[in-house]
Amino acid sequence: AQSVTQLGSHVSVSEGALVLLRCNYSSSVPPYLFWYVQYPNQGLQLLLKYTSAATLVKGINGFEAEFKKSETSFHLTKPSAHMSDAAEYFCAVSPTDSWGKLQFGAGTQVVVTP
Amino acid sequence: NAGVTQTPKFRVLKTGQSMTLLCAQDMNHEYMYWYRQDPGMGLRLIHYSVGEGTTAKGEVPDGYNVSRLKKQNFLLGLESAAPSQTSVYFCASSDRKFGGTPAGELFFGEGSRLTVL
Repeated sequence: AQSVTQLGSHVSVSEGALVLLRCNYSSSVPPYLFWYVQYPNQGLQLLLKYTSAATLVKGINGFEAEFKKSETSFHLTKPSAHMSDAAEYFCAVSPTDSWGKLQFGAGTQVVVTP
Repeated sequence: NAGVTQTPKFRVLKTGQSMTLLCAQDMNHEYMYWYRQDPGMGLRLIHYSVGEGTTAKGEVPDGYNVSRLKKQNFLLGLESAAPSQTSVYFCASSDRKFGGTPAGELFFGEGSRLTVL
């Protein structure tokens, strides 16, 4: 069984400030982990993924995430927020022995203020 | 590149009516999925398919049916719509291979917003 918990359904950050979105997972087998972003009125697109290689993963648009097995976490960060980062972000987990079936978190809405 | 295309994008139904959502992908992906998105609940898997002619139930399959007669198409049907099925529906597809290709990465359509009155 697997599940994902995203802490905070809404996050407000100032432009230029650090973006930190928290994700904790539970999985009975070693997982693959993903962050997806959804801009208004669009589908989800992949930001980055962890597939058991480097634990610090860099994605698009300056985002990165670190896999910490001891903490069962995969938090997403960006050093300096931009207005275009306003979107909803979803953490997702997939067991490595599956065919890509993902379990999504509830999502975190990011608001960027000038 | 079209990717994943969903039709229609918007639809309003009355309770008890039926309809079909069409998903088409041009990436030759083996796997296709239908999700629904509701506020505060993330995405929940309705049905999925691991290849042409196959379908399987996901997390919330009740009230929905699906068919995958062609590899590139995945249809989601509502036989008798209920207000609880008001949602945004997303179709997605993925490649089957883990090694050398994005493991488990899903490619999403832009969504179909359904309102059941």
